[in-house]
Amino acid sequence: DQQVKQNSPSLSVQEGRISILNCDYTNSMFDYFLWYKKYPAEGPTFLISISSIKDKNEDGRFTVFLNKSAKHLSLHIVPSQPGDSAVYFCAASWGGNEKLTFGTGTRLTIIP
Amino acid sequence: DVKVTQSSRYLVKRTGEKVFLECVQDMDHENMFWYRQDPGLGLRLIYFSYDVKMKEKGDIPEGYSVSREKKERFSLILESASTNQTSMYLCASRSNRVGQTQYFGPGTRLLVL
Repeated sequence: DQQVKQNSPSLSVQEGRISILNCDYTNSMFDYFLWYKKYPAEGPTFLISISSIKDKNEDGRFTVFLNKSAKHLSLHIVPSQPGDSAVYFCAASWGGNEKLTFGTGTRLTIIP
Repeated sequence: DVKVTQSSRYLVKRTGEKVFLECVQDMDHENMFWYRQDPGLGLRLIYFSYDVKMKEKGDIPEGYSVSREKKERFSLILESASTNQTSMYLCASRSNRVGQTQYFGPGTRLLVL
């Protein structure tokens, strides 16, 4: 049972435009959400997170939005750059638990 | 900077062999994790450890065991490798401090023939 879902396996966006990556979850206990970025042959690196007490968190070009009623979060990248081409994973946890549940990933390709 | 290292980047083993994957972190983190990454399935947790000699099963522990004899080192063991264990294996560590995230190693790509 996939508790965290990323329904788009891939996404292509023109350089300079906005990239929007989506993630849905089913477990209402989740209260902390993260996005990780992964380049080929490297481990995932942390990008940005959001607690369930917020609906938005921003860090430079990256913004994460959380819609708790819809159990949906999204990552916006503006403007998109070629170096943003990677696989993006959303992840969730609850109750301060060390354990993360990951989505299946979305491969983002930025077209120059 | 947190550093998580894994003993091998690429490994080729035969069916039935015993395989050891080693992970070392240098930030005195209490928690360590082993995941496997497969296309279309994302990262799935195999085992994790929140302290020396402690271990907890993740979502897919079957066919695997782990060992944590020292705080900085977490080993994943495939007792008898099978072809369906061909995968990318990722180790991560995390501090107990509030708000900390998991830091990942570069991964070991294991091929079981």
